Amino acid sequence: AQKVTQAQTEISVVEKEDVTLDCVYETRDTTYYLFWYKQPPSGELVFLIRRNSFDEQNEISGRYSWNFQKSTSSFNFTITASQVVDSAVYFCALSEAGDDKIIFGKGTRLHILP
Amino acid sequence: DAGVIQSPRHEVTEMGQEVTLRCKPISGHDYLFWYRQTMMRGLELLIYFNNNVPIDDSGMPEDRFSAKMPNASFSTLKIQPSEPRDSAVYFCASSSDRGWGKLFFGSGTQLSVL
Repeated sequence: AQKVTQAQTEISVVEKEDVTLDCVYETRDTTYYLFWYKQPPSGELVFLIRRNSFDEQNEISGRYSWNFQKSTSSFNFTITASQVVDSAVYFCALSEAGDDKIIFGKGTRLHILP
Repeated sequence: DAGVIQSPRHEVTEMGQEVTLRCKPISGHDYLFWYRQTMMRGLELLIYFNNNVPIDDSGMPEDRFSAKMPNASFSTLKIQPSEPRDSAVYFCASSSDRGWGKLFFGSGTQLSVL
């Protein structure tokens, strides 16, 4: 069965620091998709990124970067030079190719302190 | 497009009452998902539909919960009778790209059962 673990329940960092959010997943499929979503204080979840299991290239989008390592079943998310607006709950999620469901981790609440 | 629209935004009811949550997906999206978010359990998938047909309702907690999708533009999640432990934020999300697609979430319904 698929499972997503976000071991960090809550993280606080000072503005401009770099921060990494961890995500470990479990799946028996060889083809699967990994996601990150952001839930700001307003409550609505917003899609950030999707990766498929065959593409282990790291991705960078502005201050955001993602490190996908199949060997450790991890898909970590790093925010560089964090800003107060990055304060949110971040969810990692997994979908197996043979299934339509997207299963979410429990989320990491990130506080960026001014 | 207006995005996924959920109503009401907030619902306060007394134990034993019937509660109906509503969702209008994005036009053209053929997948619709209902999630429940609580502090203890995070984001749980309750049920999802493909082309208005329920595909997997294994996440529905018990018979008090039911969901329908009478047409492509409307879905309901009903709780009857409601209990205090049903208090949570209920999200509807739609997608055009199966389980490995980007989910578009509504703003959620904050349900409080007293």
